Amino acid sequence: KNQVEQSPQSLIILEGKNCTLQCNYTVSPFSNLRWYKQDTGRGPVSLTIMTFSENTKSNGRYTATLDADTKQSSLHITASQLSDSASYICVVSLYNQAGTALIFGKGTTLSVSS
Amino acid sequence: ETGVTQTPRHLVMGMTNKKSLKCEQHLGHNAMYWYKQSAKKPLELMFVYNFKEQTENNSVPSRFSPECPNSSHLFLHLHTLQPEDSALYLCASSQDPGGTSGRSGLFFGPGTRLTVL
Repeated sequence: KNQVEQSPQSLIILEGKNCTLQCNYTVSPFSNLRWYKQDTGRGPVSLTIMTFSENTKSNGRYTATLDADTKQSSLHITASQLSDSASYICVVSLYNQAGTALIFGKGTTLSVSS
Repeated sequence: ETGVTQTPRHLVMGMTNKKSLKCEQHLGHNAMYWYKQSAKKPLELMFVYNFKEQTENNSVPSRFSPECPNSSHLFLHLHTLQPEDSALYLCASSQDPGGTSGRSGLFFGPGTRLTVL
């Protein structure tokens, strides 16, 4: 069954600290993996996209990694800021004869406190 | 901000009411989507439209009725809803019908927070 599991469900950190969010997936055939950030009261916004051959991709203080062998991805946030408080959603896309489908994780809720 | 707008932002309705959600995208995309987001659940795809034609109906109850008059506008007509339909309803658009290609994938609107009493 195609699934995306994210951990932890929620996380609280102090401003300035680093954190890592995890995404494990059992999606096949794999096409790509995206991390979205969803601020309260807004829709999700794409942070990074990673394909099968990419191991690491950065977007400012956000760095995503992908291990296609173990089917794991992580999103590392460096020097967190209050504005990083949001829900982070991992989305894996598959592509087969039927077309494309997106498999969403439940998200990790990050709270950054001062 | 993202080029996708949704109205209203909040909606409270009784189970016997009829209401409509509106979505408009200013990005020139050809594909539009309705998603349902409930607490502690993954986003659920409801409907997909590509070039105004519905290409996917993800077993959604008939009390939800989508309408896509053109590639820029998408509606979700609601009638005789149940309390369990209370959720955030997100509209999205994308360049491609799968929403996977391109740097930004899906572009989401801010959502309509729906409460069914």
